[in-house]
Amino acid sequence: NAGVTQTPKFRILKIGQSMTLQCAQDMNHNYMYWYRQDPGMGLKLIYYSVGAGITDKGEVPNGYNVSRSTTEDFPLRLELAAPSQTSVYFCASKPWGPGANVLTFGAGSRLTVL
Amino acid sequence: DQQVKQNSPSLSVQEGRISILNCDYTNSMFDYFLWYKKYPAEGPTFLISISSIKDKNEDGRFTVFLNKSAKHLSLHIVPSQPGDSAVYFCAALAQGGSEKLVFGKGTKLTVNP
Repeated sequence: NAGVTQTPKFRILKIGQSMTLQCAQDMNHNYMYWYRQDPGMGLKLIYYSVGAGITDKGEVPNGYNVSRSTTEDFPLRLELAAPSQTSVYFCASKPWGPGANVLTFGAGSRLTVL
Repeated sequence: DQQVKQNSPSLSVQEGRISILNCDYTNSMFDYFLWYKKYPAEGPTFLISISSIKDKNEDGRFTVFLNKSAKHLSLHIVPSQPGDSAVYFCAALAQGGSEKLVFGKGTKLTVNP
């Protein structure tokens, strides 16, 4: 059981390039999330999804896009990379249901924009 | 505006002693609270949680206390071990709402042998 898998683990981008961070979960979880963590800061929510075909903005969505075509996958796209997007990105998921409040996180993707 | 605050960026304790990590929240709609532990180069892992209908939850060496009137919670680790050295994040959720977990900035705990 892999849990939440993120790829790539590391990536260096040039300003203006685009890329997609991949996230997949094999736990049949309805909810999926993308967070970013900057040094000395907590995790800030970028986008989240309550199920296939449904996405919504979090606290810091600007510069990102997401899609949720399947229950398993929740890719995060950066269209025009900027230095401010240098961060560690974490994908997470949780099941639906009363009391199902624990998010399971992936190992993270470290992105540097130069 | 930070809804979940961890005002101590770091904490250092001796092995075998108690570690107390604090967290304050401002949103009265939060009714479920979680603590996550994070090692370098890894994702956060769930540690312990508490519902607002309780004021204490215990799991082995870890106990979380909730004071709803003060909007304050704390995580106690007794006895502390060097392997507990990590960043601890407090997080809060309004159940039945947007299902968005809000995190504090974290407290880096160092347990010295």
